[in-house]
Amino acid sequence: DAGVIQSPRHEVTEMGQEVTLRCKPISGHNSLFWYRQTMMRGLELLIYFNNNVPIDDSGMPEDRFSAKMPNASFSTLKIQPSEPRDSAVYFCASSPSGRGTEAFFGQGTRLTVV
Amino acid sequence: AQSVTQLGSHVSVSEGALVLLRCNYSSSVPPYLFWYVQYPNQGLQLLLKYTTGATLVKGINGFEAEFKKSETSFHLTKPSAHMSDAAEYFCAVTATYRDDKIIFGKGTRLHILP
Repeated sequence: DAGVIQSPRHEVTEMGQEVTLRCKPISGHNSLFWYRQTMMRGLELLIYFNNNVPIDDSGMPEDRFSAKMPNASFSTLKIQPSEPRDSAVYFCASSPSGRGTEAFFGQGTRLTVV
Repeated sequence: AQSVTQLGSHVSVSEGALVLLRCNYSSSVPPYLFWYVQYPNQGLQLLLKYTTGATLVKGINGFEAEFKKSETSFHLTKPSAHMSDAAEYFCAVTATYRDDKIIFGKGTRLHILP
C-alpha cells in the first residue's frame, strides 16, 4: 500500500482565500484523523471520523474550518476564509480502528497564508 | 479524558550516551500508549506501543519504553544514541474502552552531540 496520501504537499495562499486539503487513507482503515501541527501548540487533533462519520470535531478551531469524508477513500479539510494564523502543517492519519491500533500518518500539507 | 505531558521540549545527549525521553499520561481508563518519531519534513512514524501484557515494550531502532501504572509514566529509552536518532519524538495516549482517537504530547526534540 502507498500509505496515507495527502495533497498538496505545500500550499501558499492569500488571506481570505478558500483552501482545500485532501487525504486518501490507507485502504481498509476505518478511522481517519486530521491534525494540525504548529510550534506553539504542537500536534492538535482537529477532527476524527469513524466509518466516514464525524465522531469528534471538538478540536476544529472555528466555523471557518470544515471537514468531510464522502467515502472511505477520501477526505477533505477546508478553510474558508483563510487567515495568517492558520499557517501550519496539517496531517491526515488513518487507523484500522479497534483497540490499541496505531495511526498511520501522511507526509503532511504545509500551509502558508500570507 | 486523556492527556499527555512530555517533560523537556529539547533534550541533548552525546553520541553513544543513554537517551531518556520522559512522558507522563493522564487517563480515566486504562490507556494504550504510543511513541512516535518525526524526522524533518515528514509525517509521524510509530516507534512502539503498549496495549496489554508485558510492561517493557521494545520498538524499532533500538528504542524501548516501560509502562509504569503507579507512576503514570511511559518513558522512552535507548542505551546508546546515534546521530541518526536526531528527530522529534511524540508520546501519545488513547482510551481502551471508548473510541480510538489518539491524543499527542507536545513533543521532545532530541539533539545528538558528536
